Amino acid sequence: DARVTQTPRHKVTEMGQEVTMRCQPILGHNTVFWYRQTMMQGLELLAYFRNRAPLDDSGMPKDRFSAEMPDATLATLKIQPSEPRDSAVYFCASEGGQTTGELFFGEGSRLTVL
Amino acid sequence: AQSVTQLGSHVSVSEGALVLLRCNYSSSVPPYLFWYVQYPNQGLQLLLKYTSAATLVKGINGFEAEFKKSETSFHLTKPSAHMSDAAEYFCAVSLYQAGTALIFGKGTTLSVSS
Repeated sequence: DARVTQTPRHKVTEMGQEVTMRCQPILGHNTVFWYRQTMMQGLELLAYFRNRAPLDDSGMPKDRFSAEMPDATLATLKIQPSEPRDSAVYFCASEGGQTTGELFFGEGSRLTVL
Repeated sequence: AQSVTQLGSHVSVSEGALVLLRCNYSSSVPPYLFWYVQYPNQGLQLLLKYTSAATLVKGINGFEAEFKKSETSFHLTKPSAHMSDAAEYFCAVSLYQAGTALIFGKGTTLSVSS
């Protein structure tokens, strides 16, 4: 069945290392979102794309985070350099067609930065 | 700017009791409103959504929510709790159009005891 796929599911890295998270949206969905979930802040919108074009990335720390959609089947979120405060679960979600507002979430990438 | 406030970060009920999770919204335009559920180590899943049709919305697993404009509320209810309902629940708001990012509340953890 159709689902959003995220890799890696878990990542442990050391401060200063580059981290890349990947997302494969549901085929045919034209809007892709990146959210970050922490205990303190809850779910925060980092960025989103429509038809591969960035619409809003105001939630991302620009100096270290970058998000791209190289093609319609792949979205990436990169952190360079990573810091301990980036430890969180990062969710990708996609939306499209006639299901207005129904975001389909991946299972998340749990990042731990030591 | 849009926002949602979920009253109570943790709600505990007994199996078979009424579930009531509270959500109030703020929006300058007619909103779309949503409830999502998150089970441990999983992504979010849509429970139900309000998109300006019927004010009483029925969702999956016996949940429903009522949109009350005068109270700016969209509370989630279920007549009889089941152990499997234990999860985190998120209320969310978006603008009145497809492909717009959802703004989530902080979430409410529902515990169900036998």
